Amino acid sequence: NAGVMQNPRHLVRRRGQEARLRCSPMKGHSHVYWYRQLPEEGLKFMVYLQKENIIDESGMPKERFSAEFPKEGPSILRIQQVVRGDSAAYFCASSGTGPDNEQFFGPGTRLTVL
Amino acid sequence: ELKVEQNPLFLSMQEGKNYTIYCNYSTTSDRLYWYRQDPGKSLESLFVLLSNGAVKQEGRLMASLDTKARLSTLHITAAVHDLSATYFCAAARSGTYKYIFGTGTRLKVLA
Repeated sequence: NAGVMQNPRHLVRRRGQEARLRCSPMKGHSHVYWYRQLPEEGLKFMVYLQKENIIDESGMPKERFSAEFPKEGPSILRIQQVVRGDSAAYFCASSGTGPDNEQFFGPGTRLTVL
Repeated sequence: ELKVEQNPLFLSMQEGKNYTIYCNYSTTSDRLYWYRQDPGKSLESLFVLLSNGAVKQEGRLMASLDTKARLSTLHITAAVHDLSATYFCAAARSGTYKYIFGTGTRLKVLA
């Protein structure tokens, strides 16, 4: 029973490039959450998605960041024109139906912006 | 707005000693989670606490939840080097999905 999968695990981008992070939820889960962890800090909520819907993006920076969870395929977090401050670990979590269902976290993608 | 504070932020302790990590949260929260994170790794779920007075134990770790005091504790008994890691608590209000994480406690157990 595969857990939450994320790829790539490590991503290096130069300033101005685009970063695309992928997340496949656990089997049977239809809710996906993205969190960001800056160095030496806790995780911060970014966005909550269900299939084809963004439910809450209150934690997403207003510019350059977007997320989607299409009907088919993984959820994608896209960061356009990356800057050094975007360097962080990005974790995806998934849960079953209902807000009280426990979220299970993936291994994370560590983004380094040169 | 729910806020979560952990203390201490750093903890260096000798093997064999006991210590407690504290997690305070600012508003009513019905769910409290404890995670372990090793450097460069993902979060490992340790405990899920869902009710007032809940106490769970696994090996040398024991977690408890007091919803009236808005406090959860993670108690370490007879620490060993393998417990060195960063420990996070996260709180969530019933009926919501947003986990609010503490800043973490970096534990180092000295041989």
